[in-house]
Amino acid sequence: AQSVTQPDIHITVSEGASLELRCNYSYGATPYLFWYVQSPGQGLQLLLKYFSGDTLVQGIKGFEAEFKRSQSSFNLRKPSVHWSDAAEYFCAVGAMEYGNKLVFGAGTILRVKS
Amino acid sequence: NAGVTQTPKFQVLKTGQSMTLQCAQDMNHNSMYWYRQDPGMGLRLIYYSASEGTTDKGEVPNGYNVSRLNKREFSLRLESAAPSQTSVYFCASSEGRGNIQYFGAGTRLSVL
Repeated sequence: AQSVTQPDIHITVSEGASLELRCNYSYGATPYLFWYVQSPGQGLQLLLKYFSGDTLVQGIKGFEAEFKRSQSSFNLRKPSVHWSDAAEYFCAVGAMEYGNKLVFGAGTILRVKS
Repeated sequence: NAGVTQTPKFQVLKTGQSMTLQCAQDMNHNSMYWYRQDPGMGLRLIYYSASEGTTDKGEVPNGYNVSRLNKREFSLRLESAAPSQTSVYFCASSEGRGNIQYFGAGTRLSVL
């Protein structure tokens, strides 16, 4: 069965520090990969996506993610975190072979300390 | 351009009551989805509609029904609400390569 694991439930970083959020997946197909962000009381906003090609993808708000097929990972990174980045982040995986459905990870809550 | 609109934003029900959550999208997308979000569990798919006139069960369909009223609208119905259905419900729509999903702001439902 398809699954997505975000190993860190909570992460706290200092403002200005670098950030890496981990995402591992188990999928029996060539995956499409996404990172979404959810601010408190809001819906989910797409940060970035990977379909094919260059394994390093750039997204909005200065985020990037790298697809590593050998490690079944799609980790999200940001070189310098801002206080406004405090939110919950979700990794999601889909594949053409599984129709239009996405499988989401449980989420990682990011806290930013000043 | 409103995107995906959900109503209501908040709702409190008593056990056994029924209600319908409404969702409409103005992006001319074929596919629409209903998820529930519970702490520590991410988003779980309740039902989805790949195109107008079709609906399919997702991971957690029990206790819910859906209607794809037309291409724009996809409603979720709780026939007899239970406390276990207390959650935040999100509607999403998608189109095109890779199935990028666009989400509404959510409905926060409490069942007492």
